[in-house]
Amino acid sequence: LAKTTQPISMDSYEGQEVNITCSHNNIATNDYITWYQQFPSQGPRFIIQGYKTKVTNEVASLFIPADRKSSTLSLPRVSLSDTAVYYCLVGDSRYGGATNKLIFGTGTLLAVQP
Amino acid sequence: DTGVSQDPRHKITKRGQNVTFRCDPISEHNRLYWYRQTLGQGPEFLTYFQNEAQLEKSRLLSDRFSAERPKGSFSTLEIQRTEQGDSAMYLCASSPSRDILQSISYNEQFFGPGTRLTVL
Repeated sequence: LAKTTQPISMDSYEGQEVNITCSHNNIATNDYITWYQQFPSQGPRFIIQGYKTKVTNEVASLFIPADRKSSTLSLPRVSLSDTAVYYCLVGDSRYGGATNKLIFGTGTLLAVQP
Repeated sequence: DTGVSQDPRHKITKRGQNVTFRCDPISEHNRLYWYRQTLGQGPEFLTYFQNEAQLEKSRLLSDRFSAERPKGSFSTLEIQRTEQGDSAMYLCASSPSRDILQSISYNEQFFGPGTRLTVL
């Protein structure tokens, strides 16, 4: 199983860009990199997913270098409502498209201050 | 609301009692997952259904735990003889098969709000 490592916590201020980096040195060829967001007392919410290079959607950008051993979630101009735990996940390639169970780490608690 | 719903949202029980949780997935989703989350940790996979078939169970799912999805729609998770260590948030998630909805991302699952279990 690919293991991910990300900072336990980060602090930011409203309006700043936040970059959360995740290491996944043992990522397999067929693995995708996925990020989820979780607010207290709620279930996680899918943010973005990528395989290589850069992916952008209306919420965030995901940067993946050529070796794919790390990835960076970029949140532009954060607000107080972006305070949450952010999880970096790497797909379990042993299961491919069969199960797609998600393997969560402990995540990064992002605290946005005014 | 067409999202994943779970019932109840909170459950307090005494050790040794049985509890049952219900999950209603998004209607067109044939894949359903149960996860458990304890304080300060990420969710941990418990079990997976494709339609009514339970295709995978985690070793975390002891013999006191049983899950069903009888008609391939809603699912129930039962815990018998609850223990204090069972106290956690129980999360349900659903997703469609990619051959049904190609626009869905590979690892995108839709989570419900969870059921918080407290065992006294």
